[in-house]
Amino acid sequence: DGGITQSPKYLFRKEGQNVTLSCEQNLNHDAMYWYRQDPGQGLRLIYYSQIVNDFQKGDIAEGYSVSREKKESFPLTVTSAQKNPTAFYLCASSIETGFGYTFGSGTRLTVV
Amino acid sequence: GESVGLHLPTLSVQEGDNSIINCAYSNSASDYFIWYKQESGKGPQFIIDIRSNMDKRQGQRVTVLLNKTVKHLSLQIAATQPGDSAVYFCAERARRNTGNQFYFGTGTSLTVIP
Repeated sequence: DGGITQSPKYLFRKEGQNVTLSCEQNLNHDAMYWYRQDPGQGLRLIYYSQIVNDFQKGDIAEGYSVSREKKESFPLTVTSAQKNPTAFYLCASSIETGFGYTFGSGTRLTVV
Repeated sequence: GESVGLHLPTLSVQEGDNSIINCAYSNSASDYFIWYKQESGKGPQFIIDIRSNMDKRQGQRVTVLLNKTVKHLSLQIAATQPGDSAVYFCAERARRNTGNQFYFGTGTSLTVIP
């Protein structure tokens, strides 16, 4: 079955550490996205990629980094510069930007 | 910037009743809208979509209504079931410098009372 897979489901990070969240899709979608979800707030765009080897900052990119070396993969690194990283992170993909998304099941990151 | 909001953050309905979830959007140029359902601890799932050249679209037990005059979107769920309990949010597609982009509302939490 085609889909989008995020791992791990739960992740704990010590202050000062970088952590990387995985996102893989086998839908042959060109566009991929990372969103952050906090209680009582809508999804906020961190980074997106329209095509391999290209990515753009979203509305809250500070403290995060991404890469898009393969069409199927769009990992997100939460760096120590991100002051409030505890949140639910959602990865999504679409045929191209502006088309409806398929979402992953999310990664809950907690700073300990 | 664009904003997508909901009139009510929570909604409780009796099993078997109809549910109506509302969404207001601010960008009159938005041309495409999607409703998503998100269960606790899971990613959002597509429910139904509608383009701006339509005012109504029906799916299985769900109907989306679009009123462009007042920039309002609603999701109607018929014969609500316990499995419908989730957070529902709308998304609007609007154009930015870098291309089309979706903007998401905060969501309405629907609780179905057996």
